[in-house]
Amino acid sequence: AQSVTQPDIHITVSEGASLELRCNYSYGATPYLFWYVQSPGQGLQLLLKYFSGDTLVQGIKGFEAEFKRSQSSFNLRKPSVHWSDAAEYFCAVGATNTGNQFYFGTGTSLTVIP
Amino acid sequence: NAGVTQTPKFQVLKTGQSMTLQCAQDMNHEYMSWYRQDPGMGLRLIHYSVGAGITDQGEVPNGYNVSRSTTEDFPLRLLSAAPSQTSVYFCASSYSFWGTGELFFGEGSRLTVL
Repeated sequence: AQSVTQPDIHITVSEGASLELRCNYSYGATPYLFWYVQSPGQGLQLLLKYFSGDTLVQGIKGFEAEFKRSQSSFNLRKPSVHWSDAAEYFCAVGATNTGNQFYFGTGTSLTVIP
Repeated sequence: NAGVTQTPKFQVLKTGQSMTLQCAQDMNHEYMSWYRQDPGMGLRLIHYSVGAGITDQGEVPNGYNVSRSTTEDFPLRLLSAAPSQTSVYFCASSYSFWGTGELFFGEGSRLTVL
């Protein structure tokens, strides 16, 4: 069965520090992978997506993610975190072999301290 | 651009009452879906639709009903509200229904069932 695991429920980083949010997936076919961000009281917004090709993908707001097939991972990174990055982050996989399904991780809450 | 519009944003119900959460999108997306978001659970798919007249169940469909009479609208009905349905509900649409396309989310509807 398809699944997405985000092992870190909550992460705290200092402003200006680097960030890495972990995501592991279980999926039998070629995955379509996404990272979304949710600011408080808002819906989810796409940060970036991976379909094929270059395994390092760039997204909005200075975020990037690297797809590693051997580790079934799609970790999100940012070199220098800003206070406005405080939010909830969700990793998701599009399950094309079953059709019509997107599977989400449980989310990682990011706190940024001055 | 309106994107995905959900109403109401907040609702309080008593156990046993029924109500409808409205969702409308103006992007001509064939795929529409409803998720519920609960702490520590991430987003769970309730129902989805791949076009007018076509709906299907997701992971947690019990207690909910949907219909899709037009491409634009995808209402979610709670038939007899229960406290376990207290949650934040998100409507989302996509130009792709094979798990390959970005999901566009509404701002959410917070429902409390007493």
